[in-house]
Amino acid sequence: AQSVAQPEDQVNVAEGNPLTVKCTYSVSGNPYLFWYVQYPNRGLQFLLKYITGDNLVKGSYGFEAEFNKSQTSFHLKKPSALVSDSALYFCALHSGAGSYQLTFGKGTKLSVIP
Amino acid sequence: EAGVAQSPRYKIIEKRQSVAFWCNPISGHATLYWYQQILGQGPKLLIQFQNNGVVDDSQLPKDRFSAERLKGVDSTLKIQPAKLEDSAVYLCASSSPGLRGDTQYFGPGTRLTVL
Repeated sequence: AQSVAQPEDQVNVAEGNPLTVKCTYSVSGNPYLFWYVQYPNRGLQFLLKYITGDNLVKGSYGFEAEFNKSQTSFHLKKPSALVSDSALYFCALHSGAGSYQLTFGKGTKLSVIP
Repeated sequence: EAGVAQSPRYKIIEKRQSVAFWCNPISGHATLYWYQQILGQGPKLLIQFQNNGVVDDSQLPKDRFSAERLKGVDSTLKIQPAKLEDSAVYLCASSSPGLRGDTQYFGPGTRLTVL
């Protein structure tokens, strides 16, 4: 069975500081990893994904994520946080075998403090 | 390019009533997904269509939930009868062609409250 863990329910960061939202995964086969962001009363918006190749993936709105196979992690990062980045962030996983289901973590609420 | 459309955006019903949600995917996307997102949790797949055929409905409570995608475009998700625990946001997503690693694009969701 595949699973995604987001160990922090909430992350607080000051505006202008770097931010990290953590994600670890468990899967048999090659992982395909995604980050989505959800603003209040909105659907999920795609930020970035890792399929293969370079372990550092760049995405929308200045976000990037680093795939680390040995630590089974895919942490989301941004060098300088904006107040407008405050939202709910979800990590998700497709396995390279078995079900096509996209498995989501429970989400991390990011609050950027002015 | 227009995104995934869903309606209604909000719905309040009494338990044991019926409700239906509608989804129009991004034009040309062959694969359509319905997810249930309960407050405080990540979305959970209910059903996946490839064109008008079902790929995965293993987590769909088939005694009360049903879904169809006639003509391989629009889709409707129905709950009959609703229970209190069905209160959630129902998200529709689409992708093309629907392989592992393809990006799923989500609609705004329908927030269902069952009283």
